[in-house]
Amino acid sequence: EPEVTQTPSHQVTQMGQEVILRCVPISNHLYFYWYRQILGQKVEFLVSFYNNEISEKSEIFDDQFSVERPDGSNFTLKIRSTKLEDSAMYFCASSEQGLGNQPQHFGDGTRLSIL
Amino acid sequence: DQQVKQNSPSLSVQEGRISILNCDYTNSMFDYFLWYKKYPAEGPTFLISISSIKDKNEDGRFTVFLNKSAKHLSLHIVPSQPGDSAVYFCAASAQGSGNTPLVFGKGTRLSVIA
Repeated sequence: EPEVTQTPSHQVTQMGQEVILRCVPISNHLYFYWYRQILGQKVEFLVSFYNNEISEKSEIFDDQFSVERPDGSNFTLKIRSTKLEDSAMYFCASSEQGLGNQPQHFGDGTRLSIL
Repeated sequence: DQQVKQNSPSLSVQEGRISILNCDYTNSMFDYFLWYKKYPAEGPTFLISISSIKDKNEDGRFTVFLNKSAKHLSLHIVPSQPGDSAVYFCAASAQGSGNTPLVFGKGTRLSVIA
């Protein structure tokens, strides 16, 4: 069964450094998402992306965050200058259609630890 | 701002019995509801969904019930198996023009005891 893959599985970064999290969505999916889960808290929506544009973003997704689809298969999340509170699990997801009646499929996540 | 609430952080059930996981929501714009299962060190895995035009959806051992007037849904697992032990997340979305963010509950940890 096709799946969303994320790399790396664990990223340790010094505060203030830039980090790029990578995702390969399911190949025939057109809609891409990033979510995060801070330890002990809910999974929270960050951003959605379609047709090389951000479709929607949450208030968490401030100017320090950016997303890109640099080629036909990868989807990346960049945090420009990391803060301690950015430490979390980051999940990439994709869906075949953007309508609410299609499930989003998630990768196994990248654990980001900011020191 | 808890638009999706799972009030039971944990649930223990004996193997072979029914597991019932509950979820409440407050946003009346939600019209699509999903359940995800999550094992440690893995991402959420889609389990089953239901549209607001239905009140029940069944897939094998899993059934989701939706009570729109009460803004409540539940996931029934019958019979429960030890491999069902995981954290279960309820999620909801409001159908929009394109990508629709999922709003998650905090999850319920299900333990199925052999």
